[in-house]
Amino acid sequence: DQQVKQNSPSLSVQEGRISILNCDYTNSMFDYFLWYKKYPAEGPTFLISISSIKDKNEDGRFTVFLNKSAKHLSLHIVPSQPGDSAVYFCAARSADSNYQLIWGAGTKLIIKP
Amino acid sequence: DADVTQTPRNRITKTGKRIMLECSQTKGHDRMYWYRQDPGLGLRLIYYSFDVKDINKGEISDGYSVSRQAQAKFSLSLESAIPNQTALYFCATSGPGYEQYFGPGTRLTVT
Repeated sequence: DQQVKQNSPSLSVQEGRISILNCDYTNSMFDYFLWYKKYPAEGPTFLISISSIKDKNEDGRFTVFLNKSAKHLSLHIVPSQPGDSAVYFCAARSADSNYQLIWGAGTKLIIKP
Repeated sequence: DADVTQTPRNRITKTGKRIMLECSQTKGHDRMYWYRQDPGLGLRLIYYSFDVKDINKGEISDGYSVSRQAQAKFSLSLESAIPNQTALYFCATSGPGYEQYFGPGTRLTVT
């Protein structure tokens, strides 16, 4: 069973608008959630994280929101830029997975000019 | 120069062959990881190592083995490759925190 789910395989957004990427999880023991960004022919790179004791973390154009009651987190990118076109992975860790990261399947974000 | 390097970047091999994928890092991290990525499945952990003497199986270790030759080197072997091991393989490292740093990946095709 997938503990971390990204239900949208792809998302297309107009340049300058807001991009919202979603992630759902099932394990209430997750203590950290991370977003990674991946360009073709490159490895994933860390983007932003949030602790389970917070509900929001912001870093420039990127904000992650955590709703623990709904077991849902989202990544907001405002404003979206062409260089944001990439695959975005949600990942989470917990003590019962020996603190290893559990990954979602990814969402491909396409920013249209 | 890249902090995490993987060789080869691409490899085509035949069923039954033994192959090794290599990973080196210059970040000075103790922890290293091997993942595979398949379409629609995200990244799945194969093996991980907290230091040279500590190696652990991940979610999908069957059919794979690893060797941690030094703090900076972690290799993944497929003893007898099969077609469903065709995938994109990533090596990663981390310090004591949760952030992992990835290599560029190795695209492996088993025919």
